[in-house]
Amino acid sequence: GAVVSQHPSWVICKSGTSVKIECRSLDFQATTMFWYRQFPKQSLMLMATSNEGSKATYEQGVEKDKFLINHASLTLSTLTVTSAHPEDSSFYICSGPDTGSSYEQFFGPGTRLTVL
Amino acid sequence: KQEVTQIPAALSVPEGENLVLNCSFTDSAIYNLQWFRQDPGKGLTSLLLIQSSQREQTSGRLNASLDKSSGRSTLYIAASQPGDSATYLCAVIKAAGNKLTFGGGTRVLVKP
Repeated sequence: GAVVSQHPSWVICKSGTSVKIECRSLDFQATTMFWYRQFPKQSLMLMATSNEGSKATYEQGVEKDKFLINHASLTLSTLTVTSAHPEDSSFYICSGPDTGSSYEQFFGPGTRLTVL
Repeated sequence: KQEVTQIPAALSVPEGENLVLNCSFTDSAIYNLQWFRQDPGKGLTSLLLIQSSQREQTSGRLNASLDKSSGRSTLYIAASQPGDSATYLCAVIKAAGNKLTFGGGTRVLVKP
């Protein structure tokens, strides 16, 4: 299957700082990518849909000014958590779909964010 | 609004036993259904994808069935091994380009 990478795999930051997470599709082009967050022992919660060359679409209750998404190319989407607070500590995962007929989704390995 | 349910939430079996994981969805108008595996602290690994026109898919010891009319999918894992211990998630998509709707997952423990 297709490969999606994320960087960094984990990050610890101080409260009030901003953190950027990269999501790359390594062997396919992704006009759309999805960003999720996951709390311990819970399922994934979709945060936003990242669209190449246009604005992201955010799910209800997700602050667009806090979680900035940029999809600058067909292989890279970034999520920036601005002015991070301890409650933003979570596991962030991105996914990209195979835009062939199956539309199979492939997920990155995730980024563990801890805000002190 | 599509809702996806996975039962049971947790399952513990001795090694060698077959696993049966259930997934149900409320809206039968789906494009495809995917089964994923997630290990603790890791991302999701795609196991099987069943398109809406298909009834089942197989990969090695894994077999997934789909009954769209009743809104159900079942993942069978034959001859379970301790390495199969993980959380298994099913997800459906309404149309290409849409987002996935996930079930809550089934946490599986295979005891040696």
